[in-house]
Amino acid sequence: LAKTTQPISMDSYEGQEVNITCSHNNIATNDYITWYQQFPSQGPRFIIQGYKTKVTNEVASLFIPADRKSSTLSLPRVSLSDTAVYYCLVVMNSGGYQKVTFGTGTKLQVIP
Amino acid sequence: KAGVTQTPRYLIKTRGQQVTLSCSPISGHRSVSWYQQTPGQGLQFLFEYFSETQRNKGNFPGRFSGRQFSNSRSEMNVSTLELGDSALYLCASSLELDKVTGELFFGEGSRLTVL
Repeated sequence: LAKTTQPISMDSYEGQEVNITCSHNNIATNDYITWYQQFPSQGPRFIIQGYKTKVTNEVASLFIPADRKSSTLSLPRVSLSDTAVYYCLVVMNSGGYQKVTFGTGTKLQVIP
Repeated sequence: KAGVTQTPRYLIKTRGQQVTLSCSPISGHRSVSWYQQTPGQGLQFLFEYFSETQRNKGNFPGRFSGRQFSNSRSEMNVSTLELGDSALYLCASSLELDKVTGELFFGEGSRLTVL
């Protein structure tokens, strides 16, 4: 059974770049990796998605190395409002079915 | 465009009872999936429905079931409730027509407390 693990928590000062890593063994070349942000009492919110190399949007970047055993969410210049829990999600395709696995979650605390 | 709507938002049940939770997806989304979130186990996938058919299933006992209607609205049911079923139950909808790629739109959840 594949495990998807993340650091439990991270602290960062405002304005710094934050990198959160997700370790996910046994994923195939066409399995997607997605990152979500969750605030208390709310459902997760989509941040970014990719399945290889590097993807960038207006709020984050996603790096996936060639061995695909991990992925890194990069948040440039974080602000206090980025304090939240961040989850990676791996959807693995197998025999016509999909196995949906969330990471363990990383609680990011942004410090003024 | 309205988001994913879940009802009820909060509910309290006792052990042995059953519960039904409802989810209305974003208009045009045909895939609906359900998740259980607890402090101890994190976010866990329950099942996914597409065109009224269960397409994918997580590792939960048969007490957890669901269904999807022709208008894409979905319900999940938990029978013979146990204390450990206390959790936030999240519903998500997706545009994907042929597979779950992970770009999901979540509701705010239904918080179930089992006494």
